[in-house]
Amino acid sequence: EVQLVETGGGLIQPGGSLRLSCAASGFTVSSNYMSWVRQAPGKGLEWVSVIYSGGSTYYADSVKGRFTISRDNSKNTLYLQMNSLRAEDTAVYYCARVLAARYFDYWGQGTLVTVSS
Amino acid sequence: EIVLTQSPATLSLSPGERATLSCRASQSVSSYLAWYQQKPGQAPRLLIYDASNRATGIPARFSGSGSGTDFTLTISSLEPEDFAVYYCQQRSNWRGTFGPGTKVDIK
Repeated sequence: EVQLVETGGGLIQPGGSLRLSCAASGFTVSSNYMSWVRQAPGKGLEWVSVIYSGGSTYYADSVKGRFTISRDNSKNTLYLQMNSLRAEDTAVYYCARVLAARYFDYWGQGTLVTVSS
Repeated sequence: EIVLTQSPATLSLSPGERATLSCRASQSVSSYLAWYQQKPGQAPRLLIYDASNRATGIPARFSGSGSGTDFTLTISSLEPEDFAVYYCQQRSNWRGTFGPGTKVDIK
């Protein structure tokens, strides 16, 4: 059974850093494209970042230069390092497996990141 | 960047009724479009991909159609568990984008 479990969210001050983790089971992270998608409170879904199976990474303009997606193959875990956090980064962050290089077929339960002083 | 718009913003219907949701892309996405369902406090769930293919475990009452810039998600007969928010999504280059969502609520 495919499962994704995110951890690492919490309350952080503006300008701070946080690392989210997404532990996967039932499939191999490194063999798949994996993404982060976020949802601000009461708002819609926003794609954040993707890492391809080959290792290439891409980011939304809103986080480029501040966020870094990575993975640890030995732990079958996906990460999102978030630096220089802003109030507008407040959201539930979901990790998701990518189907057919385009769609998100399995999602974690999400982890809430709150950026506030 | 391709922008997705969805209409209506809210659809008020009764159980058993047919729901028709629309998604329009600012330029052609061929058939590379997906639909997701999201209930309060839950992660989104993939319903339809490549415009018309149901994802694993999705009931047959959900169907998708369209190509190019205009797409439709149809729920043939609403069940109580179908009242939720529905998003369309596409990916161009490496960037995935979502529509703003349509809320299907109980009339």
